[in-house]
Amino acid sequence: RKEVEQDPGPFNVPEGATVAFNCTYSNSASQSFFWYRQDCRKEPKLLMSVYSSGNEDGRFTAQLNRASQYISLLIRDSKLSDSATYLCVVTGNDYKLSFGAGTTVTVRA
Amino acid sequence: ETGVTQTPRHLVMGMTNKKSLKCEQHLGHNAMYWYKQSAKKPLELMFVYSLEERVENNSVPSRFSPECPNSSHLFLHLHTLQPEDSALYLCASSQANGGAHEQFFGPGTRLTVL
Repeated sequence: RKEVEQDPGPFNVPEGATVAFNCTYSNSASQSFFWYRQDCRKEPKLLMSVYSSGNEDGRFTAQLNRASQYISLLIRDSKLSDSATYLCVVTGNDYKLSFGAGTTVTVRA
Repeated sequence: ETGVTQTPRHLVMGMTNKKSLKCEQHLGHNAMYWYKQSAKKPLELMFVYSLEERVENNSVPSRFSPECPNSSHLFLHLHTLQPEDSALYLCASSQANGGAHEQFFGPGTRLTVL
């Protein structure tokens, strides 16, 4: 079983729509969770950390479900600039990040 | 100055060549990483240096040889590569003082092995 699994998509949504997707992780001892964003042919960049109580950053909402071992990302009022691959990242209490293969989101006009 | 820089951005090499990838971070971090990203696959951690000591070597073939001369610079020396080594090689840096910290990535070197 992969450490981190994501639905690869693509999720094709119109501007203004809401899109949400999940990521599951296999290590129940995982402690920290992140969503990174990677644009085509660019490097990954941190989008947001995911906290136990859930957190929002503008149009982005992240949730953590430890019991079912998944995290989610919801994007409200999608913009064309949200088109990217979203990488789920999970780590224990050290430097090693485990990456998912990414979920591709395409927002169309 | 950009946080993490990598050179070259693109590299084409034959299987008998020797080349080196360079990474430099200007963020004052003390941990640096090499990742390999192949199409449609998760990033694969190759090497980790913390405080200039190699702390991770994820069963990477010996044709990849890392070097970390100081906390700001990281190299990946390449020799006798195979076509399946063609990928995007990403360098990253972070703080290494316990706990999980955001990693900052360089733009990557897109490597093609002929």
